[in-house]
Amino acid sequence: GENVEQHPSTLSVQEGDSAVIKCTYSDSASNYFPWYKQELGKRPQLIIDIRSNVGEKKDQRIAVTLNKTAKHFSLHITETQPEDSAVYFCAASGPDYKLSFGAGTTVTVRA
Amino acid sequence: GAGVSQSPSNKVTEKGKDVELRCDPISGHTALYWYRQSLGQGLEFLIYFQGNSAPDKSGLPSDRFSAERTGGSVSTLTIQRTQQEDSAVYLCASSSQGGLYNEQFFGPGTRLTVL
Repeated sequence: GENVEQHPSTLSVQEGDSAVIKCTYSDSASNYFPWYKQELGKRPQLIIDIRSNVGEKKDQRIAVTLNKTAKHFSLHITETQPEDSAVYFCAASGPDYKLSFGAGTTVTVRA
Repeated sequence: GAGVSQSPSNKVTEKGKDVELRCDPISGHTALYWYRQSLGQGLEFLIYFQGNSAPDKSGLPSDRFSAERTGGSVSTLTIQRTQQEDSAVYLCASSSQGGLYNEQFFGPGTRLTVL
C-alpha cells in the first residue's frame, strides 16, 4: 500500500517568514495529493490539493508543488500569520481512492 | 448546511467493554470514511462505504472492529472487547461521490479512552 512520509514533524517560524513542509510517497499510481489543516481541538479541513497532471498550484499565501518523478510534493506558506499555527497533514491517494496520510507537521508561528 | 456530526464527543470505557461510535454524514453524501488518529500521529484509514457497494474493510485493525451504514446514511463503528491501545480519536468523513478528487469533510471526532 501507499506510504507517505512527512517532514519536518515540527516547524517554528517567525511571523512573516515562509514555511515549507515536504512529503514523499511510495506508490507511483497515486494521483491526488490533498493537504489538510487541523487546528487544536478541531477537525481536519482541506486547504489545497493538487492532481498528478499539474506541477504547481497556488491559492493566495499557500502553494503546493508536485514532482511525480521524484514522488514528492511540498506545501509552501508565505507571509505566515499567527492563524497559520496548526498541524498540517499531507495525503496521497490513487485508483483505490483511500487517502494515506503523513504523520503531520506542527507549525508554530512566533509573533 | 449541517456538516458531519459524530457522537459521543468523548467516551471513557473500561478495558473489555464494547463501544459504539456514531457518524451522521452530510446529507446527500454517498461516501463515508472512518479514520483513527492516535496522539501525535496521522490519520489511519479504517473503512470506506460508497453507496450500495460492499464496504472496504481493509483498514480495520482486528476482528474486534466492525462498522455498518444503515440506509446509506448514518454509520456506526463498533469496537468489541476494547483494549487500551484502542484509545484514540475516531474521525468520520464524508464526500459527495467517493473516489478521487472529492473533498472529504471531517466530523469533530470521538475521543475514546480505554482505562
